[in-house]
Amino acid sequence: GENVEQHPSTLSVQEGDSAVIKCTYSDSASNYFPWYKQELGKGPQLIIDIRSNVGEKKDQRIAVTLNKTAKHFSLHITETQPEDSAVYFCAAGAGNMLTFGGGTRLMVKP
Amino acid sequence: NAGVMQNPRHLVRRRGQEARLRCSPMKGHSHVYWYRQLPEEGLKFMVYLQKENIIDESGMPKERFSAEFPKEGPSILRIQQVVRGDSAAYFCASSPWDIDYGYTFGSGTRLTVV
Repeated sequence: GENVEQHPSTLSVQEGDSAVIKCTYSDSASNYFPWYKQELGKGPQLIIDIRSNVGEKKDQRIAVTLNKTAKHFSLHITETQPEDSAVYFCAAGAGNMLTFGGGTRLMVKP
Repeated sequence: NAGVMQNPRHLVRRRGQEARLRCSPMKGHSHVYWYRQLPEEGLKFMVYLQKENIIDESGMPKERFSAEFPKEGPSILRIQQVVRGDSAAYFCASSPWDIDYGYTFGSGTRLTVV
């Protein structure tokens, strides 16, 4: 089955700096790569996703990149703000199943 | 669109009691997934169901835990004879026939066993 590794597990940045979270996956059949943000006491919410026929996707301050050959994908957040502080999960999958990474706790210091 | 609805939001049970957690998927979604999350930890997959079928229960403990998704009504995660170690947040997610078209989480049920 699929195995997704996520790094780092915690990340602390100053407000205004950029944050990068990286994930690797094992199953070359995976073709869908979403990212979720989980705030304290809430369920994970989809913030951006990318499909295997696309190398990069951007939505305002967040962007995702995908390298299918190397089987890794990354989340980039620019101009971080305190409200970006949360736990972020990457996932990889195809068909009806998603496998999640272990999560990254991002702390943005004002 | 009301999204994925989970209830109750908070559930307190004494050791040995039964816990029933309910999940109503988004309209048009026929696949339901249950996850368990311990404090400060990630999402642990438990079970994947379609209407009236369990597709993958590889993450579910063999004893005391069961799940169903009947033809009518919500999906139910049932924990019998709860123990303190069952205290966690339980999330369900739903998707249509292909996850590309949406894999949405509910707000979770926080189970506390006292």
